[in-house]
Amino acid sequence: SAVISQKPSRDICQRGTSLTIQCQVDSQVTMMFWYRQQPGQSLTLIATANQGSEATYESGFVIDKFPISRPNLTFSTLTVSNMSPEDSSIYLCSVDKQGNGYEQYFGPGTRLTVT
Amino acid sequence: KQEVTQIPAALSVPEGENLVLNCSFTDSAIYNLQWFRQDPGKGLTSLLLIQSSQREQTSGRLNASLDKSSGRSTLYIAASQPGDSATYLCAAIFFGAGGTSYGKLTFGQGTILTVHP
Repeated sequence: SAVISQKPSRDICQRGTSLTIQCQVDSQVTMMFWYRQQPGQSLTLIATANQGSEATYESGFVIDKFPISRPNLTFSTLTVSNMSPEDSSIYLCSVDKQGNGYEQYFGPGTRLTVT
Repeated sequence: KQEVTQIPAALSVPEGENLVLNCSFTDSAIYNLQWFRQDPGKGLTSLLLIQSSQREQTSGRLNASLDKSSGRSTLYIAASQPGDSATYLCAAIFFGAGGTSYGKLTFGQGTILTVHP
């Protein structure tokens, strides 16, 4: 398995500001993923982050709004830019283990509230 | 469109009961299917992973099955306990026409399970 930590665990932010969420994994992984879970909804993939290359974004998500960094094989950040109340969600990072049939493991999430 | 659906949306059972949670998917070109548990305000805990070549997986009181031909997976929980109360999510990785995104999980909406003493 993998142990994943995220910072911050929660935050309350004002409209128009930006927040950077950090994700740390206890082992080296090729790919890291960022998901969003809006209130009462299931999870939606935002983007996939490979070390050394630009992140790949899913339909409906753009780099200007959700810039991602992946400086090494154990760390990634997601920034939520120019926030609005619609960005209030739980943001989760995950990794998969290719040797385990791509089983995915998730961090505890960052609960973001935008006022 | 590749979709995952879970029914029921919520389920309440008395302690000790055996129960089944259902998950259906629209595309049989599935690479694997994973069941998760999510406690309120928390992240996801992986329960079971079933590869497309497998029919079922077991862990303790949990048993998950996969039937690609019917597009269904079930999670069976034996002798339920109040500590099993949580939201259960199934998610699939699908093969894609343009290649397979092995990291892209498509999630169902979840089943909220309450086990009362």
